[in-house]
Amino acid sequence: QKEVEQNSGPLSVPEGAIASLNCTYSDRGSQSFFWYRQYSGKSPELIMSIYSNGDKEDGRFTAQLNKASQYVSLLIRDSQPSDSATYLCAVGGSQGNLIFGKGTKLSVKP
Amino acid sequence: DTAVSQTPKYLVTQMGNDKSIKCEQNLGHDTMYWYKQDSKKFLKIMFSYNNKELIINETVPNRFSPKSPDKAHLNLHINSLELGDSAVYFCASSQEEGFGYGYTFGSGTRLTVV
Repeated sequence: QKEVEQNSGPLSVPEGAIASLNCTYSDRGSQSFFWYRQYSGKSPELIMSIYSNGDKEDGRFTAQLNKASQYVSLLIRDSQPSDSATYLCAVGGSQGNLIFGKGTKLSVKP
Repeated sequence: DTAVSQTPKYLVTQMGNDKSIKCEQNLGHDTMYWYKQDSKKFLKIMFSYNNKELIINETVPNRFSPKSPDKAHLNLHINSLELGDSAVYFCASSQEEGFGYGYTFGSGTRLTVV
């Protein structure tokens, strides 16, 4: 059973700090990795994708991938209260579907 | 100009009833999915279709039947609804299967079975 693991949180950080969200996955053959943000009562929204080892930056967001350790993370710099949401890690499955983690709830305190 | 639209947004029904949820995408994507999100926010795949062809059919009760009349539509019909079916159901689409392209999700249908 292919799995994606995340710490459910909640993770609480002060406004302006760096929020670090982590995810591990079980399928060593996985090639595509995604971070989704889901506000309460809303649908998941894609914020980052990463396919190769290393860092990928997009504005205040940085995704980091280490395939040898089967680990993917998301850093949010200068966290804002509007970043408070559940962050879902997703890994591409062999049938083209995405396998989701259970999400980490982030709370950014003003 | 909604990309992936689902109807209805809310559905409250009694046990034993039959109901349908409709999904349409105007992105020109080839692959569509149904996911179920339970009360703990866990998103689990139910079905995927590529160009009207069923690709994934996870361990879902036979009471759930997807129908794809064309590649822009993927509907979900549920027979004999049970209390445990209460959840949020998301439709999604992606450009291409097999490479884990990011999905675009619909707004979800919150199903409550009473």
